[in-house]
Amino acid sequence: DAKTTQPNSMESNEEEPVHLPCNHSTISGTDYIHWYRQLPSQGPEYVIHGLTSNVNNRMASLAIAEDRKSSTLILHRATLRDAAVYYCILRDVNNQGGKLIFGQGTELSVKP
Amino acid sequence: DVKVTQSSRYLVKRTGEKVFLECVQDMDHENMFWYRQDPGLGLRLIYFSYDVKMKEKGDIPEGYSVSREKKERFSLILESASTNQTSMYLCASTIGGLKTQYFGPGTRLLVL
Repeated sequence: DAKTTQPNSMESNEEEPVHLPCNHSTISGTDYIHWYRQLPSQGPEYVIHGLTSNVNNRMASLAIAEDRKSSTLILHRATLRDAAVYYCILRDVNNQGGKLIFGQGTELSVKP
Repeated sequence: DVKVTQSSRYLVKRTGEKVFLECVQDMDHENMFWYRQDPGLGLRLIYFSYDVKMKEKGDIPEGYSVSREKKERFSLILESASTNQTSMYLCASTIGGLKTQYFGPGTRLLVL
């Protein structure tokens, strides 16, 4: 599975937008980009995923570079409840078993 | 609302004890997973199962076994607990492929 690289930590102010970057220079054509997050003392939860086009849902937006070698998770207005570790994960469409391979993720702290 | 439950949030056991961690999902999912999470090492896959009575080793199966007698239940067994198995254990399930993986709240196991 292709590898992702994320900053170890980021800080944000409450109610400001947050852009969480992810590099995946060895991404293959069959890899989808998934984001999960893990709130303190909880299991990870799904945030968003995409293949080539930018995606929006109620939690976040995902901006994917044209060459797909990087992507950015966008939280439009950070709240204190968004403080979590955010994981960028590549998932091969041929991986029918559904395994997730987690990297270290980015720990996001949100200041009031 | 989807649900993955784990039998205990916190567990304290002694070295050499046999430990059972249970996971139940109510979504009729085919695939279930056990991960452990340790500081600095992230989430690592121990075992997974594609169907009842089927199991596959993950990245770190040594010292663990699993049981899947019913579709909704996936048990992780530590045959003889050791102190290096002190960790957070997370169960997850998915219908398969690239579908969302749903996680339980985790069991924090301390082996003395």
